[in-house]
Amino acid sequence: QKEVEQDPGPLSVPEGAIVSLNCTYSNSAFQYFMWYRQYSRKGPELLMYTYSSGNKEDGRFTAQVDKSSKYISLFIRDSQPSDSATYLCAMSDSGGSNYKLTFGKGTLLTVNP
Amino acid sequence: DSGVTQTPKHLITATGQRVTLRCSPRSGDLSVYWYQQSLDQGLQFLIQYYNGEERAKGNILERFSAQQFPDLHSELNLSSLELGDSALYFCASSPFDRNEQFFGPGTRLTVL
Repeated sequence: QKEVEQDPGPLSVPEGAIVSLNCTYSNSAFQYFMWYRQYSRKGPELLMYTYSSGNKEDGRFTAQVDKSSKYISLFIRDSQPSDSATYLCAMSDSGGSNYKLTFGKGTLLTVNP
Repeated sequence: DSGVTQTPKHLITATGQRVTLRCSPRSGDLSVYWYQQSLDQGLQFLIQYYNGEERAKGNILERFSAQQFPDLHSELNLSSLELGDSALYFCASSPFDRNEQFFGPGTRLTVL
């Protein structure tokens, strides 16, 4: 079983839709959870950063963490064509200054005008 | 722009060769991480340096090595290259006390 599982999609939605992206994980030591957006042939861009369980909102983006279920989500409201990209979840434990990230394989999202 | 720079952008070489990838972290960041991204494996952590010292190792092959210099830039050396080493190689950096990692634009390595 992989440490982090993420549905690769592809996911295609109309402009303005609410998008839900999810990851599950098996390592209960993970405490830091991140979402990255990666455009084709570009480096991953940090979108959201959360610690432990709970919700965090930033503009049209909301990240949710449910540690009891080992499940994290990213919601995108009022999706735009510019949101079309691959979305990667990433996690790390609290090992001092050793903050290696374990990534999901990414979900490819297309928002159609 | 994350503030992390990587050179070169593209590298094409032959099997058995050796290459060096270079990374400059964001100003003030002490940690540098190297990742490999391939279609089948996704983003895989290779190695971390913190202020010049190796801190963590992931799935890094023995043919690969890295170092971080006093000015905090880092180099990833890949030797005896094989076709399967073709991938995107990313460098990321983070502040000393936080694990928000900021990624560079990557180096695309093609081994022919």
